[in-house]
Amino acid sequence: GDSVTQTEGLVTLTKGLPVMLNCTYQTTYSPFLFWYVQHLNEAPKLLLKSSTDNKRTEHQGFYATLHKSSSSFHLQKSSVQLSDSALYFCALSHNYAQGLTFGLGTRVSVFP
Amino acid sequence: ETAVFQTPNYHVTQVGNEVSFNCKQTLGHDTMYWYKQDSKKLLKIMFSYNNKQLIVNETVPRRFSPQSSDKAHLNLRIKSVEPEDSAVYLCASRQVGQYAEQFFGPGTRLTVL
Repeated sequence: GDSVTQTEGLVTLTKGLPVMLNCTYQTTYSPFLFWYVQHLNEAPKLLLKSSTDNKRTEHQGFYATLHKSSSSFHLQKSSVQLSDSALYFCALSHNYAQGLTFGLGTRVSVFP
Repeated sequence: ETAVFQTPNYHVTQVGNEVSFNCKQTLGHDTMYWYKQDSKKLLKIMFSYNNKQLIVNETVPRRFSPQSSDKAHLNLRIKSVEPEDSAVYLCASRQVGQYAEQFFGPGTRLTVL
């Protein structure tokens, strides 16, 4: 079956520094990849999505590129803000009827 | 702006009781889902419901059952709760298509004593 791997459980960094959250996936189908962000006591919200190989997608200062050759969809930001402190999930879909397969999530804590 | 509504926000109950959670979406989406988010924040699909077709994650215990009156509503019933059912239950909806964004409700936090 499908699977998503996020290698970092917790990332702590200082405001203004760059961040990269790793995401790799496994599927035998054509992949549709998503990044969701969940702030404390809130619902997950879509941050980015992609299904196009080697094309960078951006939103709210975050960006990611789907690389099918390495089955990766890493999330990056060049300068984190305090408000970026949240839980970030990478998710995979190949069949909308079966919902999304989520990674374990990466918690990002940004300090002043 | 909330478009997926869940009630109640919180529910505390005893082992063995029956509980029911409600979910309504006003987005006109065709597919609705229930996810379980455990204490480690792991998100797992439980059910999806589309056009009267129910897809069940095979790991979900039989005491869980979804109930739908129309495509805008998908409720979740737990027949006899167990301590491991303590979690946040998130309802979501999505339009048809693998690339469509999934919108989540605020969740119902269940505590089983």
